[in-house]
Amino acid sequence: GQQVMQIPQYQHVQEGEDFTTYCNSSTTLSNIQWYKQRPGGHPVFLIQLVKSGEVKKQKRLTFQFGEAKKNSSLHITATQTTDVGTYFCAGPTSYGKLTFGQGTILTVHP
Amino acid sequence: EADIYQTPRYLVIGTGKKITLECSQTMGHDKMYWYQQDPGMELHLIHYSYGVNSTEKGDLSSESTVSRIRTEHFPLTLESARPSHTSQYLCASGGLAANTGELFFGEGSRLTVL
Repeated sequence: GQQVMQIPQYQHVQEGEDFTTYCNSSTTLSNIQWYKQRPGGHPVFLIQLVKSGEVKKQKRLTFQFGEAKKNSSLHITATQTTDVGTYFCAGPTSYGKLTFGQGTILTVHP
Repeated sequence: EADIYQTPRYLVIGTGKKITLECSQTMGHDKMYWYQQDPGMELHLIHYSYGVNSTEKGDLSSESTVSRIRTEHFPLTLESARPSHTSQYLCASGGLAANTGELFFGEGSRLTVL
């Protein structure tokens, strides 16, 4: 079946370093969403990308959707301890169904 | 702030007991979902619904069952709990059935089966 793969599984950075997580789908996606889950919390929606090649920014976060609409990335510039958590991408893999990637656990050392 | 509620937040129960995890949303969303998540692990879709009287199984096989008699309510039931059911169960709701907009998640129900 359709899959949404995400790498890396873990990322440890020093505060101030950049961070990137990548998401790949086996099929073309109509859109891709990104969520953040703080330790002990629930996933919270960050953004949705719809257009081929789309780039969106939220302060230090930059989201990209690939030209073929099969891959996406989230880049954080100059990480802070508040960025700690698990970042998930998610794509609609059939009517009404949203499948999540495996997530990237980000640890930021002060 | 999203209006989606899950109860109980925490449940410790013995093997063989029947449990129901409640999920309610007040946003009028058509789509509702149940995800299972072990600590620090990925989210596995176990059930979803497009609307009233619609339920579908997700990607991960689950012994649980769901019902959708009212738009706002999507309870999950385990007829006979086992230790392998120990996990966190997250309920989510989305917008209109034809769209795949953002999902709003509840706080989760952490189930421990002894």
